[in-house]
Amino acid sequence: QVQLVQSGSEVKKPGASVRVSCKASGYRITSYTIIWVRQAPGQGLEWMGWISPHNGNTKSAQKFQDRVTMTTDTSTSTAYMELHSLRSDDTAVYYCARDLGYGDYWGQGTLVTVSS
Amino acid sequence: EIVMTQSPATLSVSPGERATLSCRASQIVSSNLAWYQQKSGQAPRLLIYDASTRATGVPARFSGSASGTEFTLTISSLQSDDFALYYCQQYNYWPRTFGQGTQVAIK
Repeated sequence: QVQLVQSGSEVKKPGASVRVSCKASGYRITSYTIIWVRQAPGQGLEWMGWISPHNGNTKSAQKFQDRVTMTTDTSTSTAYMELHSLRSDDTAVYYCARDLGYGDYWGQGTLVTVSS
Repeated sequence: EIVMTQSPATLSVSPGERATLSCRASQIVSSNLAWYQQKSGQAPRLLIYDASTRATGVPARFSGSASGTEFTLTISSLQSDDFALYYCQQYNYWPRTFGQGTQVAIK
């Protein structure tokens, strides 16, 4: 069965970077794109970006373009999202999802807390 | 970017009643609209895609419809498991965008 398993919670200081991983199983990672979505505490869902594991192409929302790096390691079926120059308002749960335009399978989420 | 506006913010419904949730797109997004359910502390769950197609395993009491830029999610007879947050999302344009959500609460 399709599963996306994300890395564990992180606590980071302002200005640092965080990398979240998303390991896919139950399907060939190169056959589907992956999206990253975040949710700040008590807030709605925010689409961050998209990566094609097949060719490495990415798209990101404009507000994240300068700070987000999305990659995949097809040998381990793992996608990564790295967010740089963290601020307190980056505190959120970060999700990966298999993408068909919409997310049909989702990871369990990774809480990233940014605090001095 | 496309703005998705959901209404109402909160919908109070009694078990067994019908719930109707609305989502309006700021531009035509064709039928490229999905609905998700999210419960506290959980990841979103896909309910509907292509405006009206139920995802695998989604009960028939959930249905989606579209008219122009207006989209509707209907839950025909609310079960206790259905009280949750619901989001719409368009995938016709980059960036993909979500509505702000509708909370379905017990009346």
